[in-house]
This record gives sequence, C-alpha cells and structure tokens, in this order.
Amino acid sequence: ELQLVESGGALVQPGGSLRLSCAAFGYTFDDHAMHWVRQVPGKGLEWVSLITWDGSSTFYADSVQGRFTISRDNSKNSLFLQMNNLRSEDTALYFCVRDRGTYYEGMGIDYWGQGTPVTVSS
Amino acid sequence: QSVLTQPPSTSGTPGQRVTISCSGTNSNIGSNAVTWLQQLPGTAPKVLIYDSNQRPSGVPDRFSGSKSGTSASLAISGLQSEDEADYFCAAWDDSLNGSLVFGGGTKLTVL
Repeated sequence: ELQLVESGGALVQPGGSLRLSCAAFGYTFDDHAMHWVRQVPGKGLEWVSLITWDGSSTFYADSVQGRFTISRDNSKNSLFLQMNNLRSEDTALYFCVRDRGTYYEGMGIDYWGQGTPVTVSS
Repeated sequence: QSVLTQPPSTSGTPGQRVTISCSGTNSNIGSNAVTWLQQLPGTAPKVLIYDSNQRPSGVPDRFSGSKSGTSASLAISGLQSEDEADYFCAAWDDSLNGSLVFGGGTKLTVL
C-alpha cells in the first residue's frame, strides 16, 4: 500500500531550526518528484517546495526562499525539509505530497501524507 | 489571495448536482493538469480528480472534472451528506520560477 509518513514536527522558538522527514512506502520513490505543502488549520493550502526525482532541481515559495531547503535520499526512500530561521507565520501542518511526474512537467499531484505539525512560538 | 479563484462556499440538497469552479491563467490551468482535492474535517486532503478529468480508483463516478481554457470545474452529482467538505483545485504554474498553486477552497454544505 502506498504511504507517505511525515515526522519531525515540533514546537520551536522563533529563529530556531527544524528538520522534517517523509518516509515513502509502496512505490518506486525515485520515479516521482516530491512537494512539501503546508496548511494552517482552518485555512487554505500553501505550496512550500518541490524537488525533482533526482534532486537536480529544487523550487521554493517566496515566503521560504533562503530559509528552507528541500532534499531527498532515494536510497532510503525519504524526503526532507530543513527549516531555518523559523518565524511565527511558518506555524502550520506540513504535508509531504507526491507529484505524478519526475520533474515539473505539470502533471499534477496525487498522494498526500497525514502531515506533521510545526508550531513556532516563544 | 490565492492564484486560482474558487467560490468560498456552495451548498446543495441530497441528490442534487453541484459544480465548483476554478479560474486561473494561461501559465497554470491553461497549460497544466488540474487536480481536485477533497478535505474532510480533521483529515489530510485526498485527490478526487487528477489530470483535469481522471478519477483515481475508489473515487465514485459521482465526481467528475472538466477543463476549458484557463478554467476548470468539479461536478458532484447525487449529492450525499458525506460530501460535505472543503474542495481545493491545484495546478503547476510555469510563470517566474515555477510553483504549485492552489485555489482558496470551497466549503460545500449539504443542506
């Protein structure tokens, strides 16, 4: 069964750092690009970042550019999001999302994890 | 302000057909696949429609998607109480450096 399982969310102080992980099961991980998407409870969905199947290209939302780094380890079927200099507005539930394509062909997204919560507060 | 435009809310009675619109531009809906997501309260989003009009296995055929130019629509026929949820559209946007863009979401109420 295909599954995406996020972990690493926590309460962190403003200016702090956190590393999120997403473990993929049930499919060939390096056949797909991957995204991180976040959502403040009760609000809409906000795209955070994309990484291509081989990690050769990465894309970021303006709101996180220069602070967040997306990466992947295909040998371990894992996706990561390193978040530095966290701000209160980064507080959200962070989802790991599979892209249907390998790069950014615009094929759309399909599977979502259950999310991991990040709270930035003093 | 979301890049894709959806109505904030809609409603219908059981058995009725409702549609939810999603308006974009040439750089997103006009040139890329549209995904429709359903989010039930307290759960992660689930894909209802991918590639603008394709249903994943397990999604009832009451749900259908269409796309024309820079707009897309989700139709739900034979409305059921369990369809009460938030619905989002999404598409890759080729402008600037590229990004995945979402609609603001439509809250569907089953009366």
